[in-house]
Amino acid sequence: QSVLTQPPSVSGAPGQRVTISCTGSSSNIGAGYDVHWYQQLPGTAPKLLIYGNINRPSGVPDRFSGSKSGTSASLAITGLQAEDEADYYCQSYDSTLSGSRVFGGGTKLTVL
Amino acid sequence: QVQLQESGPGLVKPSQTLSLTCTVSGDSISSGGYYWSWIRQHPGKGLESIGYIYYTGRTYYNPSLKSRVTISVDTSKNQFSLKLSSVTAADTAVYYCSRDRIVDTAMESWGQGTLVTVSS
Repeated sequence: QSVLTQPPSVSGAPGQRVTISCTGSSSNIGAGYDVHWYQQLPGTAPKLLIYGNINRPSGVPDRFSGSKSGTSASLAITGLQAEDEADYYCQSYDSTLSGSRVFGGGTKLTVL
Repeated sequence: QVQLQESGPGLVKPSQTLSLTCTVSGDSISSGGYYWSWIRQHPGKGLESIGYIYYTGRTYYNPSLKSRVTISVDTSKNQFSLKLSSVTAADTAVYYCSRDRIVDTAMESWGQGTLVTVSS
């Protein structure tokens, strides 16, 4: 059972917009700790997609955006493309686990 | 551009100690700008933080693994290492090393990962 909760799967057609939620609690996201998002393409290592809730590393298309409110965060992908099909993970910090980095269980995005 | 590369045995026997090394190039661990992490991913499952280290040797370990984990750093070789003792089949996973931003713990750069299988 992951500390952060994500839907197991989402799907969308090319060109559409999808969102992936990440729900935490008052000891992690709700405590003000930053949320980061990672994209894991099949057979590869995770890649940082969004950091500090809303920031994109250099090279990440602006089709990807992040937001955070209360005890939850979201990743939005607009203009869905076939190459976006991947697993997506959120990550934050939890104060009750002595400095632990915690992950969501991951969401499989299928491009229809 | 920083690169991280995991190395170590791909097969470990039950009850033995898993040992992996992450070699960093393109950045100096002793520059002090980052934490250095180990993360694992069980087959077909999600990501799990194992722990991380600062160049001074200060460490943090996931409470669920703390009794079996040791992370160390060798700044002269620009490497950091993971030891996980008393392994079982449940420790079979892909192990990744990463460079993490100190300011917000984002795992900015990752190694390609190495599969470690625990089996007799």
